[in-house]
Amino acid sequence: QQQVKQSPQSLIVQKGGISIINCAYENTAFDYFPWYQQFPGKGPALLIAIRPDVSEKKEGRFTISFNKSAKQFSLHIMDSQPGDSATYFCVGSGTYKYIFGTGTRLKVLA
Amino acid sequence: GAVVSQHPSRVICKSGTSVKIECRSLDFQATTMFWYRQFPKQSLMLMATSNEGSKATYEQGVEKDKFLINHASLTLSTLTVTSAHPEDSSFYICSARGVDGETQYFGPGTRLLVL
Repeated sequence: QQQVKQSPQSLIVQKGGISIINCAYENTAFDYFPWYQQFPGKGPALLIAIRPDVSEKKEGRFTISFNKSAKQFSLHIMDSQPGDSATYFCVGSGTYKYIFGTGTRLKVLA
Repeated sequence: GAVVSQHPSRVICKSGTSVKIECRSLDFQATTMFWYRQFPKQSLMLMATSNEGSKATYEQGVEKDKFLINHASLTLSTLTVTSAHPEDSSFYICSARGVDGETQYFGPGTRLLVL
């Protein structure tokens, strides 16, 4: 019940394309859903976050879509760039502890 | 804002020795910090939650006598890997909970190699 399932495991997108990463959770106590971007050998960096009372949040090229009834949320990266090539983690947070998804390795081809 | 640093960034040590890793919140105070471990191509695994002025809370399966955590101030938490062995080699990452009480800000990580 504590798991956050993330897919796909890896993703290859052409420059300028849309990258979509999906996550699903079971724990209804989760009330905060951040996404993190991690480059090799670095710590994760906060990208964007959403709470379940909002169905969508957009910041620049990054958009989170949230479906509370389905307990699913997704990250969309518009106009993907080679510099976006990294590993992305979704997170479910409740009782102040993070539960990380398994990660998606994104490669954007130039 | 919300910058977290870690020191050292890399450390190589001999089996049986102890290694201390520092985690600092540079521009905010953090009553709660977290320590994670990450193996290659895997997700982050929470090891323990560190609260300023009190004992750390360890996750199931994490040996508290092997991974000593001290959170002596609102800006500093330390992780000491005692009697390190090759299987302790990993990427250790700390985070600090921000002023919103929810968001965690991560340090750059420490690569530990035990020979």
